[in-house]
Amino acid sequence: DVKVTQSSRYLVKRTGEKVFLECVQDMDHENMFWYRQDPGLGLRLIYFSYDVKMKEKGDIPEGYSVSREKKERFSLILESASTNQTSMYLCASSSAPSSYNEQFFGPGTRLTVL
Amino acid sequence: AQSVTQLGSHVSVSEGALVLLRCNYSSSVPPYLFWYVQYPNQGLQLLLKYTTGATLVKGINGFEAEFKKSETSFHLTKPSAHMSDAAEYFCAVTGNTGGFKTIFGAGTRLFVKA
Repeated sequence: DVKVTQSSRYLVKRTGEKVFLECVQDMDHENMFWYRQDPGLGLRLIYFSYDVKMKEKGDIPEGYSVSREKKERFSLILESASTNQTSMYLCASSSAPSSYNEQFFGPGTRLTVL
Repeated sequence: AQSVTQLGSHVSVSEGALVLLRCNYSSSVPPYLFWYVQYPNQGLQLLLKYTTGATLVKGINGFEAEFKKSETSFHLTKPSAHMSDAAEYFCAVTGNTGGFKTIFGAGTRLFVKA
C-alpha cells in the first residue's frame, strides 16, 4: 500500500518565521509534488520534483522553495511566512511518467500564519 | 495548455438518487483525465482515470465517467447515492505529450441527504 506521510497535520506559525513542511513516500516514486488547496480554487501546484535534487516551479512558486536530497523525501520551505500563505498544503507522489499515472496524496498540513 | 471547469461548487442529492458531477476540460493535445475524491480531513484518492481506449471508465465505489471528446466533457456518475459518498470531488487533466503538470478543477462538494 502506497503511503505518503506529512510531518504535521496542523501547524501555527507567526509572520516572518521560516517554516518547513516535510513529506515522505515509501513506494520509491520518482515524482513528488507540493500543492496548495484553497476553497473555490482547487489544488494549485507550487513545486514538483522528478528526481533527486531536481525541481521545477509550478504555478505559484513565489514565497516557497523546496528540497529533495533523498528520493523518498520532499520538503517545502516557506522562507518568511506571511498571512496569505495560510492554507492547506498537500504533498503527492507518483511513478513516472506522471502524466497518466495516479498521484498518491498525503493527508495534508493545515498551516495557519498569524 | 490545459484547464478544467467543474460546474457547481456544491451538489445535493437524496440517498438512492443519481449522482452527476460535471467536468469540462480544455486541452491542446489529447488529454488524460482523472477524478479524485477527498473525504473530510484526508488527502485525495483516485476514483478513476481515462488514458486511452474505452471511453466509459469504471472506478471504485460504483462510480463511472464517460469521456466525450466532441463535448470536451468527463462527467462523473453513480446510479444510486450513498451517505458515504459525501465528499469533495476533483476533476483533473494532463496532456499526453509528456510533462508533469496535472491541472485540477476547483472541486464539487457532494452532499447526500437521508
